[in-house]
This record gives sequence, structure tokens and C-alpha cells, in this order.
Amino acid sequence: AAGVIQSPRHLIKEKRETATLKCYPIPRHDTVYWYQQGPGQDPQFLISFYEKMQSDKGSIPDRFSAQQFSDYHSELNMSSLELGDSALYFCASSLGTGTNTGELFFGEGSRLTVL
Amino acid sequence: QKEVEQDPGPLSVPEGAIVSLNCTYSNSAFQYFMWYRQYSRKGPELLMYTYSSGNKEDGRFTAQVDKSSKYISLFIRDSQPSDSATYLCAMSLWEAGNMLTFGGGTRLMVKP
Repeated sequence: AAGVIQSPRHLIKEKRETATLKCYPIPRHDTVYWYQQGPGQDPQFLISFYEKMQSDKGSIPDRFSAQQFSDYHSELNMSSLELGDSALYFCASSLGTGTNTGELFFGEGSRLTVL
Repeated sequence: QKEVEQDPGPLSVPEGAIVSLNCTYSNSAFQYFMWYRQYSRKGPELLMYTYSSGNKEDGRFTAQVDKSSKYISLFIRDSQPSDSATYLCAMSLWEAGNMLTFGGGTRLMVKP
């Protein structure tokens, strides 16, 4: 079965550079979530989109922005990168039905290293 | 203090043992409770979810929720080496959709 696809899997950037991560949800899923997992940390919710509109916002820095496109894929843009942005960034998708089941399907993550 | 606390382990058990993983939480507004399994360098995989106090069983896994004590558990029976992973509890509020608050994860090692 098709899963959540994230690209790139690995990314190395220098401080103050920008980075863009992409997420392709499971077909027919209309809700996308972004999580950040620092080394040895639990995943922290950043932002989510439902039907191309931002639905929830968590601890996402102002330097980050995200959007969901007409084909439901999402991109996370990170600017003025800092060393502390080094983390594993997960995208998850679900079928937004208005009921909360916690059935998020996660991608394998994009590992960002900021030097 | 974090909203969801989880012993990081590592927890090492012999194959076939019963494993008990636990989380405590401080926000009594949490309504949904999940357990995720995360293998190294992989995304979290949903194992079980529940929204009521009591037990829920699925194969070798049993999830237990005690809302009065703000305590949840995951039991794994007949543990296998393939169960070796990090187990994350996660919770969400009714009105927050699927926005999850995770515990820090417990690393489990099942030795053959």
C-alpha cells in the first residue's frame, strides 16, 4: 500500500540558509501534519493543513512556513536556519472526517542537519 | 514539566516476557490516547488508540487507560525481538483534531 512520501530523506545546510521539505500524503488523504523530532526528543507538532487550509498551529518558529497544494502535497519552508533546527522532520497524513481517531500515518522523515 | 511523561528506559527483557510501558499526563482535558511504535530512523507507527478508561486488547497488545489517575499503559505479551523499538504514547484533545502531544518514548529491547 502507498505510504506517506517525504523528500529529501537527508539534507545538509549551513546556518542562515533556507531549506524546503516536501510531503506527499497517502492517496485520498486530505490532512497533512508536520512534526519536528530533535535528537533524543519526542515529536513536536508544528502545523497541520486540512483541504489546503491551515487547521492547527503548534510550536512552529516564525522562520518556518508551510502550505498544502491543490494535489494535497505539502511543503515546509525553513529560512535563516539555526543549529537548533537540526532534527528529523516527519510528515503525517490522515483522512479528515471530523472525528478524532489519532490514525495518523507517518512518513519516514527528512533528516535536516544544519552546520 | 512536560504534559506527558514517559520513562525513557532502556527497558531490556528476555524474549517471551510481558512488557509494561507507562505514561502519566497532567492535562485532564486529553480525550484520546494512542501508542506508537518507532523503529530506528523510521516514522512512528500507530499501534493502538482508545478514548475511554479501561482496557483495549489487540492481539499481543493491551492498552489500558485510567483517566482518574491520568495514567496509561501498554502491555505486550509474549514479547519478540522484533518488538525492540521505541514506544511513544500520544494524546490529543477533543477539539484539537489529530494534533498529538507525545511522551518522550521508552526504548524497549527484547533479547532472544
